[in-house]
Amino acid sequence: DTGVSQDPRHKITKRGQNVTFRCDPISEHNRLYWYRQTLGQGPEFLTYFQNEAQLEKSRLLSDRFSAERPKGSFSTLEIQRTEQGDSAMYLCASGVSYEQYFGPGTRLTVT
Amino acid sequence: DQQVKQNSPSLSVQEGRISILNCDYTNSMFDYFLWYKKYPAEGPTFLISISSIKDKNEDGRFTVFLNKSAKHLSLHIVPSQPGDSAVYFCAASEAGANSKLTFGKGITLSVRP
Repeated sequence: DTGVSQDPRHKITKRGQNVTFRCDPISEHNRLYWYRQTLGQGPEFLTYFQNEAQLEKSRLLSDRFSAERPKGSFSTLEIQRTEQGDSAMYLCASGVSYEQYFGPGTRLTVT
Repeated sequence: DQQVKQNSPSLSVQEGRISILNCDYTNSMFDYFLWYKKYPAEGPTFLISISSIKDKNEDGRFTVFLNKSAKHLSLHIVPSQPGDSAVYFCAASEAGANSKLTFGKGITLSVRP
């Protein structure tokens, strides 16, 4: 399978804990995006990487959130001191131009 | 403020008929538009896109129409099949903005056998 993969698919954590998600993009794609989707809403942009450089961060990305893409390959999204409002589907997408191809997402539940 | 609006939350059509899904936008800087389909517990799947320099793009059963003056686009699916039942998202990208996508809230399409 040469699509975008994400791990884990589901994560349940207690409030205040830290969590980290991983995204493996399609190998030839230099652009990588993170989005967050809550119930009844479309995905909302969080951050964008071109190769290893993080070029844009949304205002939604508070200082508890950090993302990396070392060596321009896979990416990680870490949430520190999770809050119940962080419960959502976290989606990763990759592309080379306008079209973006999404992974299956990581469903985060903060209890 | 919603820059991409999908005002109808749901649509139900008979198998074999045409499905027309509508989308409106407010940001005149958007220059590329995309439609995604999403099944439960899966990520969005890219369907079809259109550049602002065109008014129509067709791919098999899917056609997207763009009316720039009205800031309106629509996705036509013909003939509709039960497997098309899913949530459809309209998305837009702004020129020079790292191609990040702004999504609507989605439309749930149900195709009745």
